[in-house]
Amino acid sequence: NAGVTQTPKFRVLKTGQSMTLLCAQDMNHEYMYWYRQDPGMGLRLIHYSVGEGTTAKGEVPDGYNVSRLKKQNFLLGLESAAPSQTSVYFCASGLAGLYEQYFGPGTRLTVT
Amino acid sequence: AQTVTQSQPEMSVQEAETVTLSCTYDTSESNYYLFWYKQPPSRQMILVIRQEAYKQQNATENRFSVNFQKAAKSFSLKISDSQLGDTAMYFCAFMTPGANSKLTFGKGITLSVRP
Repeated sequence: NAGVTQTPKFRVLKTGQSMTLLCAQDMNHEYMYWYRQDPGMGLRLIHYSVGEGTTAKGEVPDGYNVSRLKKQNFLLGLESAAPSQTSVYFCASGLAGLYEQYFGPGTRLTVT
Repeated sequence: AQTVTQSQPEMSVQEAETVTLSCTYDTSESNYYLFWYKQPPSRQMILVIRQEAYKQQNATENRFSVNFQKAAKSFSLKISDSQLGDTAMYFCAFMTPGANSKLTFGKGITLSVRP
């Protein structure tokens, strides 16, 4: 099992460019999450999904969109990147009704 | 809404000694889970220990143990016999079961273990 994987691991964007971060899990988990980590802020929830075809907003959703067309994949999109979106992005997954979340290795995104 | 507070941004400990990391939280829920996650320089988030609020007994995992004070809403992590590999950022986190299992994190504390 690969667990939770994230693509890409690093990316540099110019302001206004768009990109999609891909999260994939092979554990048949229903729940998937996108967090961002900023210095001194901990991890904050951007969007999450409790099943295929469903998504919901987290604590800091502005400027991001997500899609969960397949159970194993959760995509995070930035339509028009801003320097404030420079961060490390983590994807996580978990089973419904259980407490543990499994994290991917993170993506470091820099917007110049 | 739940909040998690880690008031110490940094701590340092000598190898082989014991260190305690503090965490407080605020919630009106009676049933919840608390966690400590470790993030080493590799950036990978690693679950260290968890505590179910309904359990009175403090959780223990090898050199890691918690002091869970439900009435005080306090959840501290004790690391015994500190090792160089314990150098990392540590996050306290809160989850309400059933609320889509979302985690609320504290801001984290950077722990350095000195040789």
